[in-house]
Amino acid sequence: AQSVAQPEDQVNVAEGNPLTVKCTYSVSGNPYLFWYVQYPNRGLQFLLKYITGDNLVKGSYGFEAEFNKSQTSFHLKKPSALVSDSALYFCAVNAGNMLTFGGGTRLMVKP
Amino acid sequence: GAGVSQSPSNKVTEKGKDVELRCDPISGHTALYWYRQSLGQGLEFLIYFQGNSAPDKSGLPSDRFSAERTGGSVSTLTIQRTQQEDSAVYLCASSSQLNYGYTFGSGTRLTVV
Repeated sequence: AQSVAQPEDQVNVAEGNPLTVKCTYSVSGNPYLFWYVQYPNRGLQFLLKYITGDNLVKGSYGFEAEFNKSQTSFHLKKPSALVSDSALYFCAVNAGNMLTFGGGTRLMVKP
Repeated sequence: GAGVSQSPSNKVTEKGKDVELRCDPISGHTALYWYRQSLGQGLEFLIYFQGNSAPDKSGLPSDRFSAERTGGSVSTLTIQRTQQEDSAVYLCASSSQLNYGYTFGSGTRLTVV
């Protein structure tokens, strides 16, 4: 069965420092991988995706993610965090005709 | 429309009452999904519609929950005899192709008192 794990409930980082939000997945066949962000009282917004091609994917707001097939990971990264990046982040993978989501990681960026 | 529209944005209801939540997907998106999110937690899949096919209801938590999608467009999620544990944010998403991902609505925050 397809699954996604986000091992950290919360990640704390200082503004200006690099950030990483971890995601590992389990899926049969080729994965479609996504990151979404949720700001308070809002729906989920698409950040980036990996379908095929270059393992390093660049997305919105300066975020990027690296697909690592051998480690079955798709970690979200940003070189320099902003306070405004503080939000809830979800990783997702295709599971049949739908996406299955990780439990979410709350990112807190402190000034 | 330009995005996925959900209404109402907030709903407070008394325990035991029925509620209807509406989702208007992006025009042309054949797939429509309902998820539930409790208190800023993860997403719980509820139901999935694809075109004219029978919906995948495997995520509905009880027979008090039902959903329909009329004319392949607007969807209504109905919760009968609401309970306090039904309090959550109900998110709707639509998609044209899975490799494009989902577009989410802003959700309906349901509070059962």
